Amino acid sequence: QKEVEQDPGPLSVPEGAIVSLNCTYSNSAFQYFMWYRQYSRKGPELLMYTYSSGNKEDGRFTAQVDKSSKYISLFIRDSQPSDSATYLCAMGLTGNQFYFGTGTSLTVIP
Amino acid sequence: GAGVSQSPSNKVTEKGKDVELRCDPISGHTALYWYRQSLGQGLEFLIYFQGNSAPDKSGLPSDRFSAERTGGSVSTLTIQRTQQEDSAVYLCASSFQFSGNTIYFGEGSWLTVV
Repeated sequence: QKEVEQDPGPLSVPEGAIVSLNCTYSNSAFQYFMWYRQYSRKGPELLMYTYSSGNKEDGRFTAQVDKSSKYISLFIRDSQPSDSATYLCAMGLTGNQFYFGTGTSLTVIP
Repeated sequence: GAGVSQSPSNKVTEKGKDVELRCDPISGHTALYWYRQSLGQGLEFLIYFQGNSAPDKSGLPSDRFSAERTGGSVSTLTIQRTQQEDSAVYLCASSFQFSGNTIYFGEGSWLTVV
């Protein structure tokens, strides 16, 4: 079993839709949870960072962490064509160890 | 610098040649990582440097791969006798020393072996 599981998609939604991206994980020791956005032929860009369980909101983006279910989500409200990218979830342990999902490809259609 | 800087951004090389990829981390970041990302694949961990500690080389796929970090800052990833399966984007990332700080990526070096 992989440490982190992420549905690769692709996911295609109309502009203005609410997008839900998810990852599950197996290691209950993970403490830090991140979402990265990666545009084509670019490096991953940090989008959201959350420590432990709970929600964090930043503009149109909301990150949720449910440690009891080992499940994290990223919600994008009022999605825009500029949100079209691959979204990677990542999780961290102490000691600077990080584990990444394989990424979900999202296309927002105008 | 403001962000993680990588060079070259693109490299096409012939099979069997050696390549060097360079990473300049964010100023003040003591931890430095190299990852490999192949088309449609996730991030594959290669190597991790933390300050003056011995690097974690557990992700290097073969002895053709090596990396060094001079002066606790700039790092070079070297691939010897390149093979076509080495074609990928090589991503460098850096972070502060203490755990709990996330990592920031460069734009990557896109390597094509022909």
